[in-house]
Amino acid sequence: GQNIDQPTEMTATEGAIVQINCTYQTSGFNGLFWYQQHAGEAPTFLSYNVLDGLEEKGRFSSFLSRSKGYSYLLLKELQMKDSASYLCAVMDSNYQLIWGAGTKLIIKP
Amino acid sequence: IAGITQAPTSQILAAGRRMTLRCTQDMRHNAMYWYRQDLGLGLRLIHYSNTAGTTGKGEVPDGYSVSRANTDDFPLTLASAVPSQTSVYFCASSPGTGNTGELFFGEGSRLTVL
Repeated sequence: GQNIDQPTEMTATEGAIVQINCTYQTSGFNGLFWYQQHAGEAPTFLSYNVLDGLEEKGRFSSFLSRSKGYSYLLLKELQMKDSASYLCAVMDSNYQLIWGAGTKLIIKP
Repeated sequence: IAGITQAPTSQILAAGRRMTLRCTQDMRHNAMYWYRQDLGLGLRLIHYSNTAGTTGKGEVPDGYSVSRANTDDFPLTLASAVPSQTSVYFCASSPGTGNTGELFFGEGSRLTVL
C-alpha cells in the first residue's frame, strides 16, 4: 500500500529552527508537496520538490531524497504565526496526491 | 476576491437525509477535487473532475456523487447520510487539465451526521 509518515506533533521555540520530516512509500513518484494548515482553515501550498536537493523559499526550505523516500521541511526564525499543521503529500504514478496525516507544530515564546 | 467558495460552512444532519455541499470557483481552473479530512488521517480524495463534463472516483467515493456541468461548479452529494460521513469536507482546484499538485482549497464544510 501507499504510505506517508510524518510526526504527529512537534514543539519549538520562537526564533529557533525546526525540521519536519516526511517519509513515503508510494507507487510511483511525480513530486512531493508541503502544505500549511492553520487550525480551522484550509491548507495552503508551501513548496514542491521533484528533483533531489534543497528548495529555498524565504524562511522555509524543503529537501528531497528520492532514493531514500524522504523529505523535510525546514522552518527558520520561527514566528508565532508558524503555529500550524504541516502536511506532506506525494503525487503517485496516477498523478493523484497521497497525503500524510500532518504534523502539528506548536511554537512557544 | 478570487478563490473557492464552499457552502454551507457547517451543517448538522440526521442520518438518512440527502445533502449537497456546494463548491464554486472563479479562477477558471479546469481540475476540481473533493477531499474529506478526519482527525489522525491524511486528506482523502472522494471524487475529482479534470475538466467540465468529466468526473472520476477517488480513494473513498462510496456514498458520494458529484457532477461537473460547468467549469465553476462542483457540488458533492450525499444521497443518504451516515454517521461515518461526519467529517470536514474540502473542495479544491488546480490549473491545467490534470493534477499539478498545487491545489487551491476552499475554507471547508464541517458536516456532522447524527
